[in-house]
Amino acid sequence: ETGVTQTPRHLVMGMTNKKSLKCEQHLGHNAMYWYKQSAKKPLELMFVYNFKEQTENNSVPSRFSPECPNSSHLFLHLHTLQPEDSALYLCASSPSGSNTGELFFGEGSRLTVL
Amino acid sequence: RKEVEQDPGPFNVPEGATVAFNCTYSNSASQSFFWYRQDCRKEPKLLMSVYSSGNEDGRFTAQLNRASQYISLLIRDSKLSDSATYLCAVNNYNDMRFGAGTRLTVKP
Repeated sequence: ETGVTQTPRHLVMGMTNKKSLKCEQHLGHNAMYWYKQSAKKPLELMFVYNFKEQTENNSVPSRFSPECPNSSHLFLHLHTLQPEDSALYLCASSPSGSNTGELFFGEGSRLTVL
Repeated sequence: RKEVEQDPGPFNVPEGATVAFNCTYSNSASQSFFWYRQDCRKEPKLLMSVYSSGNEDGRFTAQLNRASQYISLLIRDSKLSDSATYLCAVNNYNDMRFGAGTRLTVKP
């Protein structure tokens, strides 16, 4: 059982819909991340939260809106997405957000935008 | 130039073979380095950290060359279960960047 849980695992949405992805970590970590993984491309870092504060926004379009209410939960709110946003969205956490900690990933939310 | 570059492969090797993967990174300020393994339709999982002195974990050996900004992974005596995509990762203060991965298939 993974220490990082993502829901939903699969999501299909139209370009005008609004939906949210949820991530919860049970590892007591203080840093949480959103990554996007598209076919044959590197994992793209989207957002980083450290102790609930956003410390990185990697030039992500505003149609993606993160929310981190506490150190255990992370959301990615989606609205007016484009078909090219279809991808696997991976949440991860790390112990302290330091430069030495490994990332622990959730199983991902596979998003299809029609 | 991509931040982290890997040969995408695929590498198709017989069981028992030795295979090596390479990775280069562009940010000389990078602090820590890792190899992750990702199975098909699964999340990445840490395989091993990479230390400046080089490190070994069973059949796996990782090397780091900071001067050349180069990381390598050597797998000895390949097993069928080693078939996966191997991702190189480079971290600089909360900013973990990944390569696109190298696909390995080990065949009987």
